Amino acid sequence: NAGVTQTPKFRVLKTGQSMTLLCAQDMNHEYMYWYRQDPGMGLRLIHYSVGEGTTAKGEVPDGYNVSRLKKQNFLLGLESAAPSQTSVYFCASSYRDGYEQYFGPGTRLTVT
Amino acid sequence: DQQVKQNSPSLSVQEGRISILNCDYTNSMFDYFLWYKKYPAEGPTFLISISSIKDKNEDGRFTVFLNKSAKHLSLHIVPSQPGDSAVYFCAASNTGNQFYFGTGTSLTVIP
Repeated sequence: NAGVTQTPKFRVLKTGQSMTLLCAQDMNHEYMYWYRQDPGMGLRLIHYSVGEGTTAKGEVPDGYNVSRLKKQNFLLGLESAAPSQTSVYFCASSYRDGYEQYFGPGTRLTVT
Repeated sequence: DQQVKQNSPSLSVQEGRISILNCDYTNSMFDYFLWYKKYPAEGPTFLISISSIKDKNEDGRFTVFLNKSAKHLSLHIVPSQPGDSAVYFCAASNTGNQFYFGTGTSLTVIP
């Protein structure tokens, strides 16, 4: 049981480049989430999904898009990266609402 | 606008003593609270939760207390062990979908 995995672990982008972060979970969870963690800010929710084919905006959605084409995968896209998107990104999943979330190991993204 | 606040960025405690980590929130609609523990270069791991219908929840060495009138919760670790050294985040929700996290408290347990 791998739990929640994230690909890649590290990435450096130039301003304006695009990329996709992949999150996968093997726990058959309905809910999946993308967070970013910045110094002094805690974790902030970017987007989340309550089931296959659904997505919803979180606290800081601007500049990101997401897709949940398969129940086990949740993709986070940056169409035109900006230095303000330099952060550590965490994916999480939960059985459903009201249950604890299981987090992946994180992706450290630097935008120069 | 930070809806969940952890005002102590760091805390040091001697091994065997009690660690008390505090968390305050501003939204009175929050009804579910969790604590997570995070080691460097890893994702947060769930520690303990409490719903607003309770004022205390215990799991081994970990106890969470909720004071709804004060909009305050605390995590007690007794006895503290060196392996407890980590960053602790509290999180709160009013729907179960969207959780708001505090900025974290770095706990160091001194052997």
